[in-house]
Formats: sequence, C-alpha cells, structure tokens
Amino acid sequence: QSALTQPRSVSGSPGQSVTISCTGTSSDVGYHNYVSWYQQHPGKAPKLIIYDVTTRPSGVPDRFSGSKSGNTASLTISGLQAEDEADYYCCSYAGDYTVVFGGGTKLTVL
Amino acid sequence: QLQLQESGPGLVKPSETLSLTCTVSGGSISSTTYYWVWIRQPPGKGLEWIGSVYYSGSTYYNPSLKSRVTISIDMSKNQFFLKMTSVTAADTALYYCARVYKRTDYLDYWGQGTLVTVSS
Repeated sequence: QSALTQPRSVSGSPGQSVTISCTGTSSDVGYHNYVSWYQQHPGKAPKLIIYDVTTRPSGVPDRFSGSKSGNTASLTISGLQAEDEADYYCCSYAGDYTVVFGGGTKLTVL
Repeated sequence: QLQLQESGPGLVKPSETLSLTCTVSGGSISSTTYYWVWIRQPPGKGLEWIGSVYYSGSTYYNPSLKSRVTISIDMSKNQFFLKMTSVTAADTALYYCARVYKRTDYLDYWGQGTLVTVSS
C-alpha cells in the first residue's frame, strides 16, 4: 500500500484559485469514486471537506470543489481566503475496509 | 453529535507495547453503516492509516505495521482499541481514531488525537 502522491506545497494570493492534485493507481483513486479530502489546521484534527470525489459536507463553503480524472483526483479552492491556509490530505479507498492517504500539501495564502 | 475520544499513556518505553482506547459517544459503535479506524501522524509529517475494525470484529491492517498491531472492539463499552508491540522512536506520533462511512470510505468524525512519545 503506497501513499498517494500530492505536491508538498502550493500557494496563492487572496481571491485567487489553487488546485491540489492527488495521484494514485487503478487500485485506489482510479478504482471507484471514493476519494475524500481533509483540511488540517495546526494543532487540530483533520476535517472532512470533500467526499465521494465531488460532494461537500454541510457547512463547507462552495469555494471548495473536487474532481477526478483517471488515477488523479484534484481539490480546487477558489476565492482563496486567509483561513484556507492549512494542510490538505487526499484519501482513497484501497480495498475492503482499508484507506490510503496522500502525503499532504501545505497551502500558503500569500 | 458523535464524539470520539482517544485515551492512553502519553509515554511508552522502547520495545514495550503501546495501548490506546477510543471511546465513542453520541452513536453506536455496532452500526453496520460504519467502520472504525486508527490513524497516526508523526510530528511534522502526514497521515498514516494503521488499521480498521468492523463491528463484527473483522480487522484490517496496514501491511507495514501488521506484524505489530492488533485492533479490537468492545460493543458493550462502545470502545475500540489499538495495541502496538515492540515500539521504537519511529512510532512517536499523534494517534487519531475516526469513523469511516462504509459504503464510500470517507472519515466523517475524528477524535482530537493523543500524542504518544516513545522514549526511555
């Protein structure tokens, strides 16, 4: 079970959009539409922000959106705000009752 | 509102066994809709799935940790547990328990995490 591949860092200015990629294989990301994304602020537990590739839980701003093509999923944050500065992790189904995470991406709002 | 709370020793000596408990409140651990996981995060690093347990007691482990990890569940206490043997400094991490929606494998509720340091 190998970690999904994410860029280590991305950055953007307030109001801009950024996209974070998450690359796996046909056994995980590419297998089903079971990709989720988590936001983690320093000292806090991760928070679910996208599930089933594109679905936002209640309370998550529509500035956050997800997509997938083949073995790569993406998280796009539009209209960047200062509070979006955090670490972001993708996660995918990897077999019965197993999941695999990406290595994490640090988003800096300039 | 579902809540998960990790508990256990914050300091474990090298070669000894790490034991953690996750107490679930506000919902039943015996639900067939979810399964339960342990996740860890070494300081300054990313998230690593340790293993999963279903209400039936079925368990699934990260292959890299499988030889040292046991996860179990006690429905009467609404708790599940993690045991990790022969720990080293590399096992120093923030340990989280979480709930996973079984059908599409997303983690919707997390505990706050508990820091376990392996040191003599």
